[in-house]
Amino acid sequence: GAGVSQSPSNKVTEKGKDVELRCDPISGHTALYWYRQSLGQGLEFLIYFQGNSAPDKSGLPSDRFSAERTGGSVSTLTIQRTQQEDSAVYLCASSLRAFGTDTQYFGPGTRLTVL
Amino acid sequence: SQKIEQNSEALNIQEGKTATLTCNYTNYSPAYLQWYRQDPGRGPVFLLLIRENEKEKRKERLKVTFDTTLKQSLFHITASQPADSATYLCALNNAGNMLTFGGGTRLMVKP
Repeated sequence: GAGVSQSPSNKVTEKGKDVELRCDPISGHTALYWYRQSLGQGLEFLIYFQGNSAPDKSGLPSDRFSAERTGGSVSTLTIQRTQQEDSAVYLCASSLRAFGTDTQYFGPGTRLTVL
Repeated sequence: SQKIEQNSEALNIQEGKTATLTCNYTNYSPAYLQWYRQDPGRGPVFLLLIRENEKEKRKERLKVTFDTTLKQSLFHITASQPADSATYLCALNNAGNMLTFGGGTRLMVKP
């Protein structure tokens, strides 16, 4: 059906608050990725999930960041005690598998602004 | 340290000309490299994948080369159009089949 969807599209929050960002991958895709993109910058890998395996959290910048993927489908990225430097566009992508040759399909992103 | 470098300055060309974008990398031995297009306010969209044993790949007006000796990929758009204006990202696999993205180059095609 539809492509990768993310919600909300925009989120403005105050420093110190927690935020949750949601990603709905393409149905049947076993791999799901979260990236962060600061203004005018490239994509910074955060975390990825492959099937039921333990997620690769190697890109998470601090322990304030965490992510879950329930039932092998929807994923939530949580940022606790947000800081101004967390302001960025958070992109989610999914692929059929987690092989480097597999095309990653990206959602439109969530623009997070921390005041 | 590992680096993927794309020209951070915008590339401005005239409609009809060939645009050539560069992706250089250091301290990687990628098995394949991908190119994506990103429009403002949108997520990247996959364009082409080239494997280490392929010198060149074509798709319509797009051509990608991959030189593992020079550690460089070139991305060409022939007969460029204003609609080709976007940011183009290269991405390559590091260990474990994960993709690492370059910072992208913005292309502006003027009519």
